[in-house]
Amino acid sequence: QVQLVESEGGVVQPGTSLTLSCVGSGFTFRTYAIHWVRQAPGKGLEWVAFISYDASDKYYADSVKGRFTISRDSSENTVWLQMNSLGAEDTAVYYCARDQRDYFDYWGQGSLVTVSS
Amino acid sequence: EIVMTQSPATLSVSPGERVTLSCRASQSVSSNLAWYQQRPGQTPRLLIYDASTRATGIPARFSGSGSGTDFTLTISSLQSEDFAVFYCQQYKNWPRTFGQGTKVEIK
Repeated sequence: QVQLVESEGGVVQPGTSLTLSCVGSGFTFRTYAIHWVRQAPGKGLEWVAFISYDASDKYYADSVKGRFTISRDSSENTVWLQMNSLGAEDTAVYYCARDQRDYFDYWGQGSLVTVSS
Repeated sequence: EIVMTQSPATLSVSPGERVTLSCRASQSVSSNLAWYQQRPGQTPRLLIYDASTRATGIPARFSGSGSGTDFTLTISSLQSEDFAVFYCQQYKNWPRTFGQGTKVEIK
């Protein structure tokens, strides 16, 4: 069965960095694009970043552009989200989601990132 | 950026009732629209894609309609497990954008 598993998040101080990983299984990972979507506590869903199946295309939300970097290694079935210069506004559950013709058909369980001093 | 607006914000419904949720896009997204359900404490689940196609395993009581800027998600007879927050999402343009969600709660 299709599974996406994010790494554990954590509590980090403002201005610091954190990298999340998303490992896929149960499908041919190298043929699928992946998104990151986040959800601040008690709030709605916010799309964050996208990487195409071959990493040739990457897109970011304006709110994270220049601070976050998405990458992948399909030999390891893994996508990463490197997050720099974190602020309180980045506190959220981060989900990775599989792209199926541009909508998200499978989601990971989510990883809570808390930015606090 | 395409802004997605859902209404109402909250809907109080009794089990067995028919429910209609609305989603409006600030510009045409053609049929590039998906609906997701998020039960309390759970991960979002894909319900509908391409505005009206049910995802695998989604019960027939869920249906989607619309194109362009106005879309509807209908639940024909609400079941206890359907109480959740529902989000629409457009995938016509970058950035991908979600509506703010409609919470369907027990009346």
